[in-house]
Amino acid sequence: GAVVSQHPSWVICKSGTSVKIECRSLDFQATTMFWYRQFPKQSLMLMATSNEGSKATYEQGVEKDKFLINHASLTLSTLTVTSAHPEDSSFYICSAGILAGGEETQYFGPGTRLLVL
Amino acid sequence: SQELEQSPQSLIVQEGKNLTINCTSSKTLYGLYWYKQKYGEGLIFLMMLQKGGEEKSHEKITAKLDEKKQQSSLHITASQPSHAGIYLCGAFEANSNSGYALNFGKGTSLLVTP
Repeated sequence: GAVVSQHPSWVICKSGTSVKIECRSLDFQATTMFWYRQFPKQSLMLMATSNEGSKATYEQGVEKDKFLINHASLTLSTLTVTSAHPEDSSFYICSAGILAGGEETQYFGPGTRLLVL
Repeated sequence: SQELEQSPQSLIVQEGKNLTINCTSSKTLYGLYWYKQKYGEGLIFLMMLQKGGEEKSHEKITAKLDEKKQQSSLHITASQPSHAGIYLCGAFEANSNSGYALNFGKGTSLLVTP
């Protein structure tokens, strides 16, 4: 199946610093990618939809200025957590969709674990 | 907004036993995905169901979509320790401004004992 990678796989940073997470579709082009956040023992929550060449669409309650999303190419989307605080510590997962054979299938990256001290 | 409820929340079964996980939606389902997640890792796509009555299999895992009941069930036959993990169902929410992004249930944690 299609492969989606994320980098870094984990990151520890000091409070107040910014962290950038990359999401890449390795063997296909993705015009749309999705960013999710997962807190311990909870489900995935959609944060925003990343559209290549245009602004991201954010879900209600997600701060646009805090979580900057850039979809510079058809294979790369980045999520930057600006001025990170301990409450931003979470597991961030991206996904990209493929339409094949009339079916839409979403493939997920391996996730990035962020710990803000 | 759409809510997906999974049951049971957790499950412990003996190796070799069969089990079923259910996912019930509060709204009409427009495609239902099943994923498996191991703690701290990404999601592994299992299968997608699109039509009412559709049934698909992936190795020893079978899933079925009951459109009328707004429900999908995931059945594992002759469970093995490798089946352990968290099973998540995801579905599109109609009229979402996120296009075909997925809403997820809270997951069912499965442990298979020797």
